[in-house]
Amino acid sequence: DIQMTQSPSAMSASVGDRVIITCRASQGISNSLAWFQQKPGKVPKRLIYSSSNLQSGVPSRFSGSGSGTEFTLTISSLQPEDFATYYCLQHTSYPFTFGPGTKVDIK
Amino acid sequence: EVRLLESGGGLVQPGGSLRLSCTASGFTFSISAMSWVRQSPGKGLEWISVISYSGANSYYADSVKGRFTVSRDNSKNTVYVQMNSLRGEDTAIYYCARDMELSSWGQGTLVTVSS
Repeated sequence: DIQMTQSPSAMSASVGDRVIITCRASQGISNSLAWFQQKPGKVPKRLIYSSSNLQSGVPSRFSGSGSGTEFTLTISSLQPEDFATYYCLQHTSYPFTFGPGTKVDIK
Repeated sequence: EVRLLESGGGLVQPGGSLRLSCTASGFTFSISAMSWVRQSPGKGLEWISVISYSGANSYYADSVKGRFTVSRDNSKNTVYVQMNSLRGEDTAIYYCARDMELSSWGQGTLVTVSS
């Protein structure tokens, strides 16, 4: 099975900060990676698909990049509504696997 | 608008069974793969299964393989997961999601396995 890791596992940031979250796969997954945002008590929401494509309706401050084994989610200027937990998902090889999540909270 | 509505959750004893349903609207269900994801209390997301658009193929996480079975009825725009031999660690919110890339999610249904 492909293992997904994320770093950091948690971080504190301020409004306006640039935030970068990294996701690494234990083997190459091409660009078969998606990013999800989940706020407490809410349903997860897809932000990015195929590594770098922005989901319709998602603000342009979110961007994704990477291929192979290393991927990043960047929030260019953190907004109050962005405090949440972020997960990556590989969907190239069964069983699909999520990363453990990165919690972004307020500094 | 894509809508996914899960149902069938509840309290079940260890070793028991439960069938969850997910009814879809707002897209062409019959040409979409469908996925199931769960989240145990206070934990991260766990992918558990996907079923192809026709129902001919399905894949499972190791943690549920042999105990859970996914099926679908395209005439009813509904996907199911039959969960047998339930354990305490199966306690979670169960979400269905559209396609393999989880583009849209339902609100989830809570399954509690406890005596």
